[in-house]
Amino acid sequence: QKEVEQNSGPLSVPEGAIASLNCTYSDRVSQSFFWYRQYSGKSPELIMSIYSNGDKEDGRFTAQLNKASQYVSLLIRDSQPSDSATYLCAVYRADEKLTFGTGTRLTIIP
Amino acid sequence: GAVVSQHPSWVICKSGTSVKIECRSLDFQATTMFWYRQFPKQSLMLMATSNEGSKATYEQGVEKDKFLINHASLTLSTLTVTSAHPEDSSFYICSFGAVYNEQFFGPGTRLTVL
Repeated sequence: QKEVEQNSGPLSVPEGAIASLNCTYSDRVSQSFFWYRQYSGKSPELIMSIYSNGDKEDGRFTAQLNKASQYVSLLIRDSQPSDSATYLCAVYRADEKLTFGTGTRLTIIP
Repeated sequence: GAVVSQHPSWVICKSGTSVKIECRSLDFQATTMFWYRQFPKQSLMLMATSNEGSKATYEQGVEKDKFLINHASLTLSTLTVTSAHPEDSSFYICSFGAVYNEQFFGPGTRLTVL
C-alpha cells in the first residue's frame, strides 16, 4: 500500500462546477495534512493545510479531514480554468518526513 | 506564504561535471531545509533534510557523496550534484519549513545532463 494515495485522473470538471479531489494515507499517527497545486513545469504551491477532523474553508477551497477513515479531500467550488493543474496531497509521517501522493491532474473545461 | 528563491532556474551541463544549486529564504529564517527531486509525471521525492549547523540526513537510496548539501546559514542551502550523469536529469526543488507545518517551496531548478 502506498503511503499517500490519490486518483491520478485526469479529472475533468466543467467551469463553475465543484471539483472534488480525494486522498487516503496509511500512517495512522499522521497529524498534518496539506494540499498543494502544481502547474506544469512549476514547483508546488500551498493551497490548504488541515490538522484536525472536519472542514476547513478558505475562499473557494474546502479541505476535509477524517482521521478515523484516514481520508482527506479538497473541494474547489466555482471551478475556473486557472484551477487546471495537478493537485498534490501531502502528509507528515511519524518520522517527520513530508510524503506526497502522485497527484491528481485536474482539467476545468470552459 | 514565505518567499523562497532558487538559482539557477535551469541548467544544462555535460556528463561528469558538477552543478551547484542555491536555495534562499528571502523573508524568514529556518533551521530545517529540504531537498526534493521530481522526475517527469512523478511526484516529489524527498532527497535529504538538513538542519543548520549539522550534517544533512539523506533518504534511502540517495548517495550522499553524489548530492552534497551545505546548509550554510538559516537562509541559504546549496545542493551540489557531483559528476552528473544523464540519469540525474530532473527537477530539483528546495523547501523551508518547520516540521509538521507548511513547507514553502522554491521555484525549482531543471537540470539536464547531456
